Amino acid sequence: DIQMTQSPSSVSASVGDRVTITCRASQDISSWLAWYQLKPGKAPTLLIYATSRLQSGVPSRFTGSGSGTDFTLTISSLQPEDFATYYCQQSNSFPLTFGGGTKVEIK
Amino acid sequence: QVQLQESGPGLVKPSETLSLTCTVSGGPYWSWIRQPAGRGLEWIGRIYTTGITNYNPSFKSRVTMSIDTSKNQLSLKLSSVTAADTAVYYCAKERISVTVFDSWGQGTLVTVSS
Repeated sequence: DIQMTQSPSSVSASVGDRVTITCRASQDISSWLAWYQLKPGKAPTLLIYATSRLQSGVPSRFTGSGSGTDFTLTISSLQPEDFATYYCQQSNSFPLTFGGGTKVEIK
Repeated sequence: QVQLQESGPGLVKPSETLSLTCTVSGGPYWSWIRQPAGRGLEWIGRIYTTGITNYNPSFKSRVTMSIDTSKNQLSLKLSSVTAADTAVYYCAKERISVTVFDSWGQGTLVTVSS
């Protein structure tokens, strides 16, 4: 199985801050990396797929980059609704695997 | 707007079988994913509209997925459950041509306890 390692596990930030989350794969996954946002009690939301493609309806302040084994999700200017937990997921091979999550908390 | 809704018992006894259903729309691939409390997401497996399945080897001996297209319902069965199977269970639809999940249910908590 491909192991996905996210860092940091949590980050404290203020509204307007730039936040960067990293995800590292245990082997080359090309560009097959997605990012999700999870909030308690709500359906998870797909933000980005294929490393950098923004899902329809997702604000442009979310950007993704990387290739191979190292990837990043950047929130350019944190908004109140962005406080949540973020997960990466590799779609290069089965079984599909997720990172451990990064909780973005209010500073 | 694709809607998915999980349903099933919130409490299951150890060694018994966990059974969940999910009312779906869209497709043609859907997956079951779970999140144990305080832990990350775990992909359980997927099913195609024809009933073809692909399971995570970690669950393969215990999991059965099926689909009833006449009712637009998925089914998940996980046998011989233990406390480690306590989790929020989600059903999710895959985005066509990319194995990512563009629509999710809100999830249902299943607790394994006697």
